[in-house]
Order: sequence, then C-alpha cells, then structure tokens
Amino acid sequence: GQSLEQPSEVTAVEGAIVQINCTYQTSGFYGLSWYQQHDGGAPTFLSYNALDGLEETGRFSSFLSRSDSYGYLLLQELQMKDSASYFCAVRDLGSGYSTLTFGKGTMLLVSP
Amino acid sequence: DAGVIQSPRHEVTEMGQEVTLRCKPISGHNSLFWYRQTMMRGLELLIYFNNNVPIDDSGMPEDRFSAKMPNASFSTLKIQPSEPRDSAVYFCASSLRDRKDNEQFFGPGTRLTVL
Repeated sequence: GQSLEQPSEVTAVEGAIVQINCTYQTSGFYGLSWYQQHDGGAPTFLSYNALDGLEETGRFSSFLSRSDSYGYLLLQELQMKDSASYFCAVRDLGSGYSTLTFGKGTMLLVSP
Repeated sequence: DAGVIQSPRHEVTEMGQEVTLRCKPISGHNSLFWYRQTMMRGLELLIYFNNNVPIDDSGMPEDRFSAKMPNASFSTLKIQPSEPRDSAVYFCASSLRDRKDNEQFFGPGTRLTVL
C-alpha cells in the first residue's frame, strides 16, 4: 500500500518563501506529483518528479529524493492567491496502469 | 477544450435514494478516474477506467457504489441506496495514459449531501 505524510497547515506572509514537505512509503514508486486546490475548487496539477533533483516552474519548484522517500514543494515570492491546499501524490504503475495516491494535503495560509 | 465536465454540481438527497453522478472527460483522454474527497479521509481513488474498461475498482467502498463508462465521452457513478456517510465531494478526472508527467485533469466536482 501507499502512505504519505505532509504537514496539515503552513502559514507565511506575502513575498516570503515556503517549503511543503512530503514523505512517503510505497510498495511501488514511479514519481511524485503536486496538486493545488483552492477552497471549493478542483485539484490542479503543479509539477511532477520522476527522477531525483529539482524541477522549476516559475515561482514553484519541486524536489525529489528517491533514496530518502522524500520530496518538497517550494513556493517563492508568495502571493495572497497562493493560499490553498497543496497535495503530494505518489504515482504507481500497478498492473501497468498509472494511478495516484494523494496525501491529506497541506493548507497554506498567506497573510499580508 | 471545455475541460472535464461533471453534473450535477450539487446534489441534496435523502437517505435511501439513488444518486447518479455524471462525467464527460476531455476529448482524446483514455483514462478516467473517480475520486471522493472528505475532510476525514482526504482524496480517495474509487475506480479508474482505461479505454472505457474498468481496471481497478478496489477503492469502491461498498456494493452500493457502481460505475460505468459506456463510451469514451461519458461515465457515471451511481450510489444506491445512498447513506449520510456518502456525503462528500466527488471528482472525476481524466488523463492520457502515456503522458510523461502523468497529469490528471479534474472536473469541478459534485458536492453530495445525503440527509
């Protein structure tokens, strides 16, 4: 089975940098994804790491260490609109088909 | 593209009634997923289809839940009979099976309340 751990809540101020950590235990691992969900909205894709290292997309970066079963999402130059829940998700390829198992999510609160 | 379309957006029903949720995936996508989201359990995968064929329904909580995908552009999730503990937001998502980044595109969700 899969289990993921991420903090339930993180707070920060506008303009700051915040890091959301994710550790996982899996029976099969092919990659780590990050999704953003605003209150009342749908999850939307942010990033995906299949290999160790850092992936950068604008203000957001995502890191993976497969040997440590650990990843993080880094958000820079925080804006009020970044207040949302952030989910890490492990990609599994059981039976040859790709599925995601999501963590419980981290609520990010950005204050002025 | 209009994205993933779900209906209804909100559903309020009484315990024991049948509920049918509908989903239209993004055209050309060959994988479809049904999720349930609650505060307690988070986002759970219920069932997924590939090329309209159910691949894994091990996440379906009980026999009261069933899902179908009669063609590439339509899927339903049915709960019969519904119970108050089924109250949740149900999301449908679609993707391209071989997409490198494995991105899933989520619909707006159906917020179900069972009284």
